[in-house]
Amino acid sequence: KQEVTQIPAALSVPEGENLVLNCSFTDSAIYNLQWFRQDPGKGLTSLLLIQSSQREQTSGRLNASLDKSSGRSTLYIAASQPGDSATYLCGGTSYGKLTFGQGTILTVHP
Amino acid sequence: GAGVSQSPSNKVTEKGKDVELRCDPISGHTALYWYRQRLGQGLEFLIYFQGNSAPDKSGLPSDRFSAERTGESVSTLTIQRTQQEDSAVYLCASSPSLGSSYNSPLHFGNGTRLTVT
Repeated sequence: KQEVTQIPAALSVPEGENLVLNCSFTDSAIYNLQWFRQDPGKGLTSLLLIQSSQREQTSGRLNASLDKSSGRSTLYIAASQPGDSATYLCGGTSYGKLTFGQGTILTVHP
Repeated sequence: GAGVSQSPSNKVTEKGKDVELRCDPISGHTALYWYRQRLGQGLEFLIYFQGNSAPDKSGLPSDRFSAERTGESVSTLTIQRTQQEDSAVYLCASSPSLGSSYNSPLHFGNGTRLTVT
């Protein structure tokens, strides 16, 4: 059974700082690893998807890495902005099912 | 273009009543997923559909929960004899066909907030 863990549970940083969110998973037989953001009262918005054969994906100020052997993924956010404040969720897809971590609540203060 | 649509957005019901939650996926998406998110907690997988079939129902919490999908489109999640512990946001997501869904991101609706009093 896939289990996904995210640390830290919450993070508060000043605007402009670079930061890293961590995600670990127990079953390395994943098809992909996905990162999402969730704003209060909203659904999830897909940020990045890393296929099992890939090591990283980049979109703008976001970079996500995947290391299947160690069961880890990181989301790097460069030059953080107050608009980045949200809950960030990672999920691993195994056999059609996407299992999520508990999320990291990010607050970027001006 | 239309995204995943869920209705109602909010539902308040009395304990013991039945409720139906609806999900309209993105047109052409054959994979459809239901998740539950309790207050302050992560997403809990309930069930997913490939077309009208549900290969994995392992996440349904009890036999009070059921889901169906018709026409490879709309899905309905039904909760019978609701309990206070059922209070949560129920999220629906869709993605393209199974062959590519493993490497296609999920598109989520805004959810239905269910409150059982």
